[in-house]
Amino acid sequence: QSALTQPPSASGSPGQSVTISCTGTSRDVGDYNFVSWYQKHPGKAPKVLIFEVNKRPSGVPDRFSGSKSGNTASLTVSGLQAEDEAEYYCSSYVGSNTPYVLFGGGTKLTVL
Amino acid sequence: QVHLMQSGAEVKRPGASVRVSCTASGYMFTTYSINWVRQAPGQGPEWMGWINPNNGNTDYAQTFQGRVTMTRDTSLNAAYLELSGLTSEDTAVYYCARASSPDVFDIWGQGTAVTVAS
Repeated sequence: QSALTQPPSASGSPGQSVTISCTGTSRDVGDYNFVSWYQKHPGKAPKVLIFEVNKRPSGVPDRFSGSKSGNTASLTVSGLQAEDEAEYYCSSYVGSNTPYVLFGGGTKLTVL
Repeated sequence: QVHLMQSGAEVKRPGASVRVSCTASGYMFTTYSINWVRQAPGQGPEWMGWINPNNGNTDYAQTFQGRVTMTRDTSLNAAYLELSGLTSEDTAVYYCARASSPDVFDIWGQGTAVTVAS
């Protein structure tokens, strides 16, 4: 049960788009459509942005979108805004006989 | 308003145990599982396990098997995490989180900082 792999950092200018990857294996990301993405600002609790690969909870702007190809999931933030500067984490639910959840190491998004 | 309120920061000696509480309000406590997630300084989150408040069933991450216990008190709408055999590597912020579906942790507590130091 290894953590999912994310790039440590990403950046973009206001208005641009940025994509963050999340790589797992065929036993987790590749086998289940239960990938979520969370945004975390310093000192605050995480907030879910995307669930089940590409679904947005109500209230999350459509600037945030998710996708998956094979063992890699991606989060795209379009029309970057200053408030998007935060840490982003992916997670994968693995529904085995003993279910568990894996998280990525996080990607720090900087808005230039 | 749906809310999870956690107990305050803790400082523990190596080898000790810590108990963190998580009190739910604004929804039916027994409807959704409560997960525990910790985040050590400079690291990503780490899932520790979950409890079904309706029946008390639990699943623990392999990493913590044998030294973690999750319980609940439905009369208080509260879930508890107990971690024993603390080492410095257990220094982290511990969060409880409601799961509205298996992969959606939609409501989080404010976090409880646990410091393990001699």
